Amino acid sequence: NAGVMQNPRHLVRRRGQEARLRCSPMKGHSHVYWYRQLPEEGLKFMVYLQKENIIDESGMPKERFSAEFPKEGPSILRIQQVVRGDSAAYFCASSPTGNLGDQPQHFGDGTRLSIL
Amino acid sequence: TQLLEQSPQFLSIQEGENLTVYCNSSSVFSSLQWYRQEPGEGPVLLVTVVTGGEVKKLKRLTFQFGDARKDSSLHITAAQPGDTGLYLCAGFYNFNKFYFGSGTKLNVKP
Repeated sequence: NAGVMQNPRHLVRRRGQEARLRCSPMKGHSHVYWYRQLPEEGLKFMVYLQKENIIDESGMPKERFSAEFPKEGPSILRIQQVVRGDSAAYFCASSPTGNLGDQPQHFGDGTRLSIL
Repeated sequence: TQLLEQSPQFLSIQEGENLTVYCNSSSVFSSLQWYRQEPGEGPVLLVTVVTGGEVKKLKRLTFQFGDARKDSSLHITAAQPGDTGLYLCAGFYNFNKFYFGSGTKLNVKP
């Protein structure tokens, strides 16, 4: 299956710990998007990355959150010093180009982050 | 504030009934997509509409993009339990990202 792979599927952290969420895009896709979803709600855009570049991080909190998409390996969404309000499902999507008007995004099945 | 408002938020109907879900905005979108999401999974793309007034059909699902490209609707004919899920609209806006609506949770009872 060459779909978008996210891991872990479930992650439990205590307040103050760090959470690392990984996303491997579909083969041939060099554009990655991260979204956050609270229960019963839609997805909120967080950040858009290409290989080694952050293109748009306007939806990501300025503190404690960071994202990268290195030349080799998966994209990582990192949350430092987690708080209860960080509990959510985090989805990654990929596309072959950045022209989302024409190219669909393909979503992974998400990481459910729970903060104790 | 939501850029895209979806209505209704929740919908519970009997198998065989018809329904319409709405997605509205005060902003103009260059394109709009509809997704369906099942519990524990990521959204799956159903359709992309690009042209104002465009209508697309996908079996029992009919999608319409408003003439002014500010709104869209999804109509399901003769709903089935397999249609149960969260329906999300997403508008392509401001160059490189989609804004998602808050979703309509549909439950079709057998």
